[in-house]
Amino acid sequence: GAVVSQHPSRVICKSGTSVKIECRSLDFQATTMFWYRQFPKQSLMLMATSNEGSKATYEQGVEKDKFLINHASLTLSTLTVTSAHPEDSSFYICSAPRGQGAGNTEAFFGQGTRLTVV
Amino acid sequence: GEDVEQSLFLSVREGDSSVINCTYTDSSSTYLYWYKQEPGAGLQLLTYIFSNMDMKQDQRLTVLLNKKDKHLSLRIADTQTGDSAIYFCAEISDTDKLIFGTGTRLQVFP
Repeated sequence: GAVVSQHPSRVICKSGTSVKIECRSLDFQATTMFWYRQFPKQSLMLMATSNEGSKATYEQGVEKDKFLINHASLTLSTLTVTSAHPEDSSFYICSAPRGQGAGNTEAFFGQGTRLTVV
Repeated sequence: GEDVEQSLFLSVREGDSSVINCTYTDSSSTYLYWYKQEPGAGLQLLTYIFSNMDMKQDQRLTVLLNKKDKHLSLRIADTQTGDSAIYFCAEISDTDKLIFGTGTRLQVFP
């Protein structure tokens, strides 16, 4: 089946540094990828929609300058948490839908990245 | 707006059946999903159902869909301790966004 690979799975960084998280679709092309954030014991919150070849679309309340998204190719999207602070510590998950539109779509998830900012 | 709701906790005895319920609001969703998340791990797709189906069975899993009431359920037969996890239902919007429920924490005790 289709696989989405997310890297790294865990990262610890110092306050003020930037962290890049990669999301790759391994056996299909994804013109769109989604980035989610999950707080402890809470559901997943959609942060942004990553669009290949154009700017990402951010959900309300998500700082685009803090969470930089680059969708450089049809198989790779990156999320960079800039100037990270302890409150950015969270579990970040990417997903990529396969298919055109909701009529023929399955969504595949990366393994998630546990970010801890100290 | 789009909203997906689930009960937060479910506790069952090993060997019994578990039923996790979900209600959603977007009647145009063509797919509805169930995901499993084990502690500290990512999401695992368990099963999904097309909106034109009432039921789907996959080994120990049975998904029931009541489109009129916008109600989705996941039944796990012969629940095992390894089934202990958080279960999320999700609907897909017409822009391919997944809208997740709040998650149901299933605890299986011996």
